[in-house]
Amino acid sequence: ETGVTQTPRHLVMGMTNKKSLKCEQHLGHNAMYWYKQSAKKPLELMFVYSLEERVENNSVPSRFSPECPNSSHLFLHLHTLQPEDSALYLCASSQDWDRGDNEKLFFGSGTQLSVL
Amino acid sequence: DQQVKQNSPSLSVQEGRISILNCDYTNSMFDYFLWYKKYPAEGPTFLISISSIKDKNEDGRFTVFLNKSAKHLSLHIVPSQPGDSAVYFCAASALGTYKYIFGTGTRLKVLA
Repeated sequence: ETGVTQTPRHLVMGMTNKKSLKCEQHLGHNAMYWYKQSAKKPLELMFVYSLEERVENNSVPSRFSPECPNSSHLFLHLHTLQPEDSALYLCASSQDWDRGDNEKLFFGSGTQLSVL
Repeated sequence: DQQVKQNSPSLSVQEGRISILNCDYTNSMFDYFLWYKKYPAEGPTFLISISSIKDKNEDGRFTVFLNKSAKHLSLHIVPSQPGDSAVYFCAASALGTYKYIFGTGTRLKVLA
């Protein structure tokens, strides 16, 4: 399998549930990202990891908790979410986090999250 | 304040004609620009990029133009095909940073 794989593709959860999103990249990249896409809004950067270390937390509420156990895997742990957190959550990877020329992001297919 | 703007939420074009998608930015530190294409139920896929040292980059049917003085870039698709129907995102970043700032996207519909 190649590229960036995200599971699950769809998730419905209640506000009191705890769930996790999983991302795996098979590209040998050193950096991994979580983005949030809400309707009619730009993709919002949430977290960046470089070689398993978090280099950016873009003012994300603590009900979102990322985990990067190794450079190929990234998780987003969710707990006590709000209905306004319903969105498409996209994982991405890039070769390195300090962008050189011709660097680009490779995205997974996303998890469509609905919070009831 | 949105640093990357795509002011046209949607665009319809006849098959075989040219599609022109526009993007404006405000941050003069941006030096690298990308276009991504997104189909429903899929993640965005990289289409084409341009560095600020160039004013044009071409790849097959896709050409990106950069006007640094106007802080404007555009994506031209010629000829447009029905398979090009998708949402197109413009993104920008500054050298040495990991932050890619995205626009809100333009939904392109190519009519057969």
